[in-house]
Amino acid sequence: AQRVTQPEKLLSVFKGAPVELKCNYSYSGSPELFWYVQYSRQRLQLLLRHISRESIKGFTADLNKGETSFHLKKPFAQEEDSAMYYCALSGRHQGYQKVTFGIGTKLQVIP
Amino acid sequence: DTEVTQTPKHLVMGMTNKKSLKCEQHMGHRAMYWYKQKAKKPPELMFVYSYEKLSINESVPSRFSPECPNSSLLNLHLHALQPEDSALYLCASSQDAVREGPNEQFFGPGTRLTVL
Repeated sequence: AQRVTQPEKLLSVFKGAPVELKCNYSYSGSPELFWYVQYSRQRLQLLLRHISRESIKGFTADLNKGETSFHLKKPFAQEEDSAMYYCALSGRHQGYQKVTFGIGTKLQVIP
Repeated sequence: DTEVTQTPKHLVMGMTNKKSLKCEQHMGHRAMYWYKQKAKKPPELMFVYSYEKLSINESVPSRFSPECPNSSLLNLHLHALQPEDSALYLCASSQDAVREGPNEQFFGPGTRLTVL
């Protein structure tokens, strides 16, 4: 079974403060991890994938297999970062790749 | 075209109605998905189509009936729904659901369904 845990439903930070959105996973195989973002009244969209090790909009995330974590970080929060963030895991399920989402963390950046 | 489109945007239906949700993608993806998303909850997988064949059904009630007429289109037929089925229904597509490895999914804007 594959499981994704996001311990915080809501995270409020001041503009310019560092941000860390936590994500832990459980999966017996080699996981593929993603962060998706959903801005107000917009569609769900991919923010980051662990395999590409890129930085998008100042966000980074490192896969830590020892701690089974994939936390999302940004050194300086901006108001436009306010959104719902979902951590997701892609793993094998009934012979197919299935994506499982965490419950999501709402990031609120206070001006 | 790098978008997944869904129609209608909003749908209100009674419990005895029959309606359909439509989804379309022209990215050449061979996997398409239906998700249900309740307010303040993550998307929950309902169905996976791989190469136009139903591959995963996550124990969805039969009042939801998916259909994949071709590799670009995905429908969800609705019949005798309950008020608790009211939710945002999301369609997504990805390059391939069979091959192991990253399965980046592209999401449509969703259909907001209200069952009276």
